[in-house]
Amino acid sequence: DARVTQTPRHKVTEMGQEVTMRCQPILGHNTVFWYRQTMMQGLELLAYFRNRAPLDDSGMPKDRFSAEMPDATLATLKIQPSEPRDSAVYFCASGGQANTGELFFGEGSRLTVL
Amino acid sequence: AQSVTQLGSHVSVSEGALVLLRCNYSSSVPPYLFWYVQYPNQGLQLLLKYTSAATLVKGINGFEAEFKKSETSFHLTKPSAHMSDAAEYFCAVGRGGTSYGKLTFGQGTILTVHP
Repeated sequence: DARVTQTPRHKVTEMGQEVTMRCQPILGHNTVFWYRQTMMQGLELLAYFRNRAPLDDSGMPKDRFSAEMPDATLATLKIQPSEPRDSAVYFCASGGQANTGELFFGEGSRLTVL
Repeated sequence: AQSVTQLGSHVSVSEGALVLLRCNYSSSVPPYLFWYVQYPNQGLQLLLKYTSAATLVKGINGFEAEFKKSETSFHLTKPSAHMSDAAEYFCAVGRGGTSYGKLTFGQGTILTVHP
């Protein structure tokens, strides 16, 4: 059963600490997205990659957020330093069907910054 | 630019009643349209999608949606609600070509089903 895997599922940390979230996309998918979900803003696109190259990270605060794909099976989202306003659920999604644009979502990483 | 408006942040129905969740979109190019469902503490799961084929699209769990270009709408319906349909539903718009997969989501509609 192919699925997007995200770790950690839950993370509680203190303000100023570094946070790294990881995502394993579905094997064979060439597009990976990072979304953030909050009650106030809903689902926001932070960044996305195609064939491991970053295509758009305009939704991401550049001073503290960074996203990378070291290889085709791993995407990372890093926050340094973290702030309370970063508390949210972060979703990774992958896709590979150019004719439909369908995305498959992981179960999310719930981040709480104290 | 693309955008999605979901009318009604909360919808409440009785079990067995018709479910209607409204979605209007804006797109400068022929859109791809999607409905996703999110259950508590889970990721988003695809219900159905429209990608320029038949305008009436059938999805999982008895849901369907109709693409109406003249009304720029893609409303989600189900003839008879079940308790298990209680969840949050998201409408999303995307496009093909080099931007495929880049979806813009609506704010979501929480569906409550009463016994």
